Amino acid sequence: GQQLNQSPQSMFIQEGEDVSMNCTSSSIFNTWLWYKQDPGEGPVLLIALYKAGELTSNGRLTAQFGITRKDSFLNISASIPSDVGIYFCAGPSYNTGKLIFGQGTTLQVKP
Amino acid sequence: GAGVSQSPSNKVTEKGKDVELRCDPISGHTALYWYRQSLGQGLEFLIYFQGNSAPDKSGLPSDRFSAERTGGSVSTLTIQRTQQEDSAVYLCASSFYQNEQFFGPGTRLTVL
Repeated sequence: GQQLNQSPQSMFIQEGEDVSMNCTSSSIFNTWLWYKQDPGEGPVLLIALYKAGELTSNGRLTAQFGITRKDSFLNISASIPSDVGIYFCAGPSYNTGKLIFGQGTTLQVKP
Repeated sequence: GAGVSQSPSNKVTEKGKDVELRCDPISGHTALYWYRQSLGQGLEFLIYFQGNSAPDKSGLPSDRFSAERTGGSVSTLTIQRTQQEDSAVYLCASSFYQNEQFFGPGTRLTVL
């Protein structure tokens, strides 16, 4: 079945640094979603992408829908301690519509 | 408006007991999902309800796990004869058809 592969698996960075993570698949997705999960909470939607090549920003976050429709990346600029958490990419399965999640990228920020 | 709610927020039970976890989705959402998440891990898909279609139960780990969704709204996840390896956070999410999901805060289950 369709799978989403996220990299890196984890990151440990200094406050103020920029962060980049990505999500790839061998299959085409028509929608890419990026979620963040704070410790002890459920995931929260950050950015939704609906068109190949689309670049969307939400504050310090920027995400792009790859032209091939097989990848997406998420950038965080000038990281702050509250950026800590697990970041998930997700997309709907082409045959069932069921949302498929990547395995997550864990971000830790050192003040 | 109200988001997805789950109850209880925490549940401690003894091995071998049955537990029921409840999810109230966002009103009008057609799809409802259950996931399991172990500490520091990703989301393990359990079951997916979409409208009146037969649920996708392909993620349920054993026949001790079952879920139902009554009236296209509230859902209950039941774990029978709980085992220690069932300890995890159980997350529920809802969406309008295939659009983005909204998650509840989760139920933390501890099996002693």
